[in-house]
Amino acid sequence: QQQVKQSPQSLIVQKGGISIINCAYENTAFDYFPWYQQFPGKGPALLIAIRPDVSEKKEGRFTISFNKSAKQFSLHIMDSQPGDSATYFCAARTNRDDKIIFGKGTRLHILP
Amino acid sequence: ETGVTQTPRHLVMGMTNKKSLKCEQHLGHNAMYWYKQSAKKPLELMFVYNFKEQTENNSVPSRFSPECPNSSHLFLHLHTLQPEDSALYLCASSQDRGDEQFFGPGTRLTVL
Repeated sequence: QQQVKQSPQSLIVQKGGISIINCAYENTAFDYFPWYQQFPGKGPALLIAIRPDVSEKKEGRFTISFNKSAKQFSLHIMDSQPGDSATYFCAARTNRDDKIIFGKGTRLHILP
Repeated sequence: ETGVTQTPRHLVMGMTNKKSLKCEQHLGHNAMYWYKQSAKKPLELMFVYNFKEQTENNSVPSRFSPECPNSSHLFLHLHTLQPEDSALYLCASSQDRGDEQFFGPGTRLTVL
């Protein structure tokens, strides 16, 4: 019930391509879905987040697509760059709970 | 110093040692968190403090002992750890419970 399932575990994309990372959840009480980006030697940092009342949110080259009926959401990175190489975590949180449930992470490598 | 800082960045200890991890946040936040990050596992929330009071302990073994003397400082005291406790320990803070969390760079702990 509390899990957030993330795939793929690792991803290699050519420079300029589109990187897509998918997540699925079961708990319908989740109402906030952030994505975190983590570079080696650093802690995770909030990248972009969405609430379930919208189906898409775009910030620069990063877009979250949200499908409430399927209980799935995904991160799209357009025109992927070598500097985007990092580990990405999807997460979910309920409104009344301070606990953020993280996915297992996707290690993204962008080929130059 | 800005953001969330953690010391030491790396720590190697034997199973009989006693050591402490330190976290300091310079953001004026009221809530602080300890997470454990192991390879190929989701981020695991260990402890939550809100206004210096512990509000959550996620079934963490007693060999991990948190301390929060004020809203800006958080410690994790370690004693008689096991090799499987080797991981990256991340500290985070947020304005209040449920708000966006800001992570420190982590302490890489190795237990021999």
